Amino acid sequence: NAGVTQTPKFQVLKTGQSMTLQCAQDMNHNSMYWYRQDPGMGLRLIYYSASEGTTDKGEVPNGYNVSRLNKREFSLRLESAAPSQTSVYFCATTVGSGELFFGEGSRLTVL
Amino acid sequence: LAKTTQPISMDSYEGQEVNITCSHNNIATNDYITWYQQFPSQGPRFIIQGYKTKVTNEVASLFIPADRKSSTLSLPRVSLSDTAVYYCLVGGLMFSGGYNKLIFGAGTRLAVHP
Repeated sequence: NAGVTQTPKFQVLKTGQSMTLQCAQDMNHNSMYWYRQDPGMGLRLIYYSASEGTTDKGEVPNGYNVSRLNKREFSLRLESAAPSQTSVYFCATTVGSGELFFGEGSRLTVL
Repeated sequence: LAKTTQPISMDSYEGQEVNITCSHNNIATNDYITWYQQFPSQGPRFIIQGYKTKVTNEVASLFIPADRKSSTLSLPRVSLSDTAVYYCLVGGLMFSGGYNKLIFGAGTRLAVHP
């Protein structure tokens, strides 16, 4: 039982490159979230998916796209990476009364 | 959306009780209040959750007044390992079965000193 799995754990990109962060959960949760956390700062919501087939913008959606592929998987795509997107990205899921379960994070550096 | 406000930082000493208060004046009827702990380089970890009155588990207590416009996380007898950032989060269930936006506030940096 892995919980919430994020890949890759580390990635270095050059400005303008694209990449996709993958998130998979084996807890059968309906809702999934992508957050970013800049050094020394709090978590900011990028996008979320309340249930399979739906996605909605969070606080900072610009520069990102998401896909809720199925109930288990929720991916985050950077089409043209910028240095301002250097951050740690966390995927999370929830069920019941809203307790969030987080992945270990994906550390992205954009040069 | 229920916006949360917490103190930016707090200091304490080992063995003391620490109380961190969160304000959420526009909390909705179906919103729960959840507290998380985060250590550097890790994702937040669930501490405790409540809807109203008092909730207690093996690590903390959560006090919620009747109007639910604030909540207080109480950590009994803190140790050095409790040095972390603490977040309160307010959010609830939607009719579709999913959850609305779960937006974190800035959190409270707790430093526990010997």
